[in-house]
Amino acid sequence: QSALTQPASVSGSPGQSITISCTGTSSDVGGYNYVSWYQQHPGKAPKLMIYEVSNRPSGVSNRFSGSKSGNTASLTISGLQAEDEADYYCSSYTSSSTFIFGTGTKVTVL
Amino acid sequence: QLQLQESGPGLVKPSETLSLTCTVSGGSISSSSYYWGWIRQPPGKGLEWIGSIYYSGSTYYNPSLKSRVTISVDTSKNQFSLKLSSVTAADTAVYYCARLVVVVMEAFDIWGQGTMVTVSS
Repeated sequence: QSALTQPASVSGSPGQSITISCTGTSSDVGGYNYVSWYQQHPGKAPKLMIYEVSNRPSGVSNRFSGSKSGNTASLTISGLQAEDEADYYCSSYTSSSTFIFGTGTKVTVL
Repeated sequence: QLQLQESGPGLVKPSETLSLTCTVSGGSISSSSYYWGWIRQPPGKGLEWIGSIYYSGSTYYNPSLKSRVTISVDTSKNQFSLKLSSVTAADTAVYYCARLVVVVMEAFDIWGQGTMVTVSS
């Protein structure tokens, strides 16, 4: 299984909104509403930010939102803050009952 | 609260078997709502799902690793383990264990801190 496709990097100024895309196929992203997003700061374990396309776990800021259209899911960070600078990974359940991660996106706050 | 902790050798020789254990504390591994998974991350690279196991022993593996991977569970010790055989330098990575919430989320909501494993002679 090939990794889901994400842009290598996205940047924005404090206060701005940015969107990260995650493109898969009809066998993963497009076939299920089981897309999740993870934030990873350097040297740290990933942290779940979004599950089931658009749901936030308790404690995650409402500045993070998710959506999906066809085979592409998206993560939007609004009101960008310095602490949002990190790597972000999408993940999807697949038709083979497996999981697949995205290639990862480095978010830089200018 | 629930915590996961990986343990095992930090250095493994090429062609040998990598063995790691994840200890679950603050909750039971024998819950119907969760699977338990292994994910790895080579230095400077992205995340790769290795496989997941249910407390009953039911497993799912990454097809690209399936021939070399075995994940097992010991409910009496509240632990699950990973064995990866015939390792090469390409298996050098930080290995994470994580809780997979099934039915509702299908997402990894709690992660261990990760353990670095280097494959080298």
